[in-house]
Amino acid sequence: DVKVTQSSRYLVKRTGEKVFLECVQDMDHENMFWYRQDPGLGLRLIYFSYDVKMKEKGDIPEGYSVSREKKERFSLILESASTNQTSMYLCASSFKRGLAGEVDTQYFGPGTRLTVL
Amino acid sequence: SQQGEEDPQALSIQEGENATMNCSYKTSINNLQWYRQNSGRGLVHLILIRSNEREKHSGRLRVTLDTSKKSSSLLITASRAADTASYFCATSLRAGANNLFFGTGTRLTVIP
Repeated sequence: DVKVTQSSRYLVKRTGEKVFLECVQDMDHENMFWYRQDPGLGLRLIYFSYDVKMKEKGDIPEGYSVSREKKERFSLILESASTNQTSMYLCASSFKRGLAGEVDTQYFGPGTRLTVL
Repeated sequence: SQQGEEDPQALSIQEGENATMNCSYKTSINNLQWYRQNSGRGLVHLILIRSNEREKHSGRLRVTLDTSKKSSSLLITASRAADTASYFCATSLRAGANNLFFGTGTRLTVIP
C-alpha cells in the first residue's frame, strides 16, 4: 500500500513565523505535490516536483517555497506565515513513468490543518 | 482555468438510495478521475476514466464521460452511511502530465 505521511495533523503558528510542512512517501514516486484546500475553492496546487531538486510553480506559489533534497521527501516552507495562509495543506505523490492512468493517479497524505494567528 | 465544477455542491440522501454527482470541465482532457475525501482527511482515488471511454464501473461506482459536453457523472448505487464524504473530480490534460486539476467537490451525506 502506498503511504504518504505528513509531519503534523494540526499546527498553530504566529504571524511572521517560518513554517515547515514535511511530506514523506514510501512508494518511490518521482512526482510530489503540495496543495492547499479552502472551503468553496477546492484544491489549489502550490508547487510540485518531478524529481529530486526539481520544482515547478503551481497556481498559487506566492508566499511559499519548497525543497526536495531526497526523492521520498518534499517540504513546503512558509517563509513568513500570514493569517491568509490558514488552510488545510495536502501533500500527494504519483509515478512519473509507467502506464497512463497509473502515472496520473495521485496518492494523498492525511493533511495538515495550519492555523496562523 | 481548467478547474472542474461539481454539481450539486451538497447532496443529502437516505441510505439505500442512489447518489449522482456531476462534473463539468473546460478543455480537452486525457482522463478524468474521481476522488473521495472523508472529513478532515486526505483524498483517496476511486476511479479513472480515459477520454476514449464512455462508461466505467467499479463495485457500486459507475462513472460516465461525455467529452462532447465536457462532463462526467459519478453514480453511487445503494448508498451507505459510510459513503458520507466529499467527492472531487480531477482532470488530466495528457497522459503522464503530472498535474491534475481538481473541482470544488460535492458534499454527500447519507442518512442512516
